[in-house]
Formats: sequence, C-alpha cells, structure tokens
Amino acid sequence: DTGVSQDPRHKITKRGQNVTFRCDPISEHNRLYWYRQTLGQGPEFLTYFQNEAQLEKSRLLSDRFSAERPKGSFSTLEIQRTEQGDSAMYLCASGPGVAAKNIQYFGAGTRLSVL
Amino acid sequence: GESVGLHLPTLSVQEGDNSIINCAYSNSASDYFIWYKQESGKGPQFIIDIRSNMDKRQGQRVTVLLNKTVKHLSLQIAATQPGDSAVYFCAENQGAQKLVFGQGTRLTINP
Repeated sequence: DTGVSQDPRHKITKRGQNVTFRCDPISEHNRLYWYRQTLGQGPEFLTYFQNEAQLEKSRLLSDRFSAERPKGSFSTLEIQRTEQGDSAMYLCASGPGVAAKNIQYFGAGTRLSVL
Repeated sequence: GESVGLHLPTLSVQEGDNSIINCAYSNSASDYFIWYKQESGKGPQFIIDIRSNMDKRQGQRVTVLLNKTVKHLSLQIAATQPGDSAVYFCAENQGAQKLVFGQGTRLTINP
C-alpha cells in the first residue's frame, strides 16, 4: 500500500453517462497526477496539480474530461458523456515534486468499463 | 520527441537466476529515471530510481544502470523469485513534471 487511495476500484457505466473518480494522495505531497493506462501499455499522463493549481493538461484530456483539486488535498476526475474508448485504468499518483527526483507513488487505480 | 521504449516485451527466466530488463529512451534532456513494477490489478510500484548524474545505483536485489551515451537503462534483478513476476516499466522525467512510460516488459519466473 503506497498511501494513495482511489475510489471506486471498478466502475461499469453505459455510454453517455457521466462518471467521477476520487483520489486521496499521500498527505504531505503537494503534487498530484492523473494517468490513463490501457491494456498492454504504460501509463499515459493526463494532468497534474501543484497544490490546488492545475499546471498541465495532456492533449489526451478532451473537453469531456475535467479534474479538480479544490483544497489541495484530494482530487476528482470527471468524464462526461462517456464513450467506449474511455474504457481504461485511471491511475492517480502523488509526489513531493522535487526537481531531478520526481518520485511518484501510484494508487491501485480505477478501472472504467464503458458498455 | 518524448518516447521511452523497451527492447523486449516479454522475458522468461528460471527461479534463482538473474534477470536483466532493458529500456531505451530518446530524450537526452531527461534528468531522472524510475523503474516501476506492476502486478496484475495493481498500480505501478516504485522499485528504484536514478538521477542522470549517476551511472549505477543499487537497492535490495536490484541494480539500475544508466548509459547516457547510448540513452539506455537496465534493471537487474538478482536471484529472481516467483514474487518478481510482473510487468516492469521504465519511466523518464524532465524537471518535476510528468513521467513518460514505456510499453513495459512482462517478466515470468519459471520454477
């Protein structure tokens, strides 16, 4: 257990529905990251936060995706109008954000299946 | 561009033997590298890291080697055990931002 918690672990939804995932990082970490992982591939970066500020978003993060970290602690990732191509594992990671030693600790992920 | 690749997608070794997993990276400006282990149904687990100003780092049963000249990383696992079976990813970082992961190598331990 890395100390990063994600909820739910699994989510099955119908195409067109909205879903929201939650991540609770390691408490002393100011950086929080979201990644997406499809079968047989490595995690792909989606976005990250420094405290409550969202500093970078990948081009993978379409307009249907939104992430928040309102108080600089937990974060949510919402997907609106889900599509079958959104099916993947969504991973959250946190880290101290130290340059040249950017260790990131991952949660167990939320597996999304869009039917 | 940003890409991290692996030479072999699968590796099968005998229990007790040493394993070597290789990784090539393309961004010469990357200053930090991490090896992660991912077991089925779990998130990536940190194994060992190395900064670009080093060429070797040792942990418990694991060693990471970095060759900046040819932009190559390797992970050596000594005396592999059944619990080492997993997918191993190398990841590169530039600054304190996102990690870029490779596709991964699946390590299988034969009894």
